[in-house]
Amino acid sequence: GENVEQHPSTLSVQEGDSAVIKCTYSDSASNYFPWYKQELGKGPQLIIDIRSNVGEKKDQRIAVTLNKTAKHFSLHITETQPEDSAVYFCAADYGSGSARQLTFGSGTQLTVLP
Amino acid sequence: NAGVTQTPKFQVLKTGQSMTLQCAQDMNHEYMSWYRQDPGMGLRLIHYSVGAGITDQGEVPNGYNVSRSTTEDFPLRLLSAAPSQTSVYFCASSYGGLDGYTFGSGTRLTVV
Repeated sequence: GENVEQHPSTLSVQEGDSAVIKCTYSDSASNYFPWYKQELGKGPQLIIDIRSNVGEKKDQRIAVTLNKTAKHFSLHITETQPEDSAVYFCAADYGSGSARQLTFGSGTQLTVLP
Repeated sequence: NAGVTQTPKFQVLKTGQSMTLQCAQDMNHEYMSWYRQDPGMGLRLIHYSVGAGITDQGEVPNGYNVSRSTTEDFPLRLLSAAPSQTSVYFCASSYGGLDGYTFGSGTRLTVV
């Protein structure tokens, strides 16, 4: 099955700086790579996703890049704000047909220091 | 829209007890899944369903049962609770496939 590794496990940045979280995956058949943000006491919330036919996708201060050859994808947050502090999870799809599901990375605790 | 509703929010069980975690969505989503979240291990898939009457096992199904009699509801049953099942459980749903999974707010379960 799919194996997703996520680094770093914790990340502290100063407000206004950029943050980068990296993930690698093992299944070359994976085509869908979402990123989730989880605030304390809440469920994960989708913040951005990318498909294998796209190399980069941006949404305001958030961007995701994908390198299918190297099997890695990254989340970039620019101009970080205290409200960006949360746990971030990457994921990759696996399986076939209607049985496709997601494998999640182990998460990154991002702390934005004021 | 209520989205994905999970009940209860907190639960303490004794070893060997059984219980059902409830999950309901009002978005007419076909796909529903149950995950458990443990420190340092991300989210691991327990069971999932691609539509009413159809369920399948995920990565960690042992000790759990599911059923999907309606589109809206996807309950997770713990048959005989064990301390290893202490975790936070999340239900998620999507309209079709994996796009835009919506997660519930979770159930924190402690088995003593």
